[in-house]
Amino acid sequence: DAKTTQPNSMESNEEEPVHLPCNHSTISGTDYIHWYRQLPSQGPEYVIHGLTSNVNNRMASLAIAEDRKSSTLILHRATLRDAAVYYCILSPFPGGYNKLIFGAGTRLAVHP
Amino acid sequence: GAVVSQHPSWVICKSGTSVKIECRSLDFQATTMFWYRQFPKQSLMLMATSNEGSKATYEQGVEKDKFLINHASLTLSTLTVTSAHPEDSSFYICSAPEARSNTGELFFGEGSRLTVL
Repeated sequence: DAKTTQPNSMESNEEEPVHLPCNHSTISGTDYIHWYRQLPSQGPEYVIHGLTSNVNNRMASLAIAEDRKSSTLILHRATLRDAAVYYCILSPFPGGYNKLIFGAGTRLAVHP
Repeated sequence: GAVVSQHPSWVICKSGTSVKIECRSLDFQATTMFWYRQFPKQSLMLMATSNEGSKATYEQGVEKDKFLINHASLTLSTLTVTSAHPEDSSFYICSAPEARSNTGELFFGEGSRLTVL
């Protein structure tokens, strides 16, 4: 499985944008980039996913580098509820039919 | 969105006993479910893939005789930790893909925290 590299932790202030980076230099042409987040004592929840083009949804935006070796999850206005561990995961399928292997993720702290 | 529910949310048991954790897809059918384990301050570790009507597929290093998985219906998968020991204390999380979802997301349960005394 292609691996991802994320910073261990990041900090942000409330209502400011947050850019969470992910490096995946060994990504294959058929790998989708998934982002999930896990709030304390809860199961993970889906945030966003993409293949080549940038993606937007109600939760976040995903910016994918042209060579696909890195991506950035963008939270446009961080709230206290966004404090969580964010996981960047590669998977060869667009959906959940293939198992997802979680890395260490980035722990995001949001300050009031 | 699709909902996956686990029961119990937390359980405490004595060493040597067996504990069953249920994972249900409440509003969709799931032919496949995934079971993860998470120790404190660590990431999720995939334990096995549960397949409806057939045997589960275990990840390398996971003892299939210790972690029994049964996927008897399209909405229920169970994980039984047999002869539990303190080192099995962990947060167990199940997940399932929902075929109709246009986002391709994996839906996770709320997790079950097991403490073995």
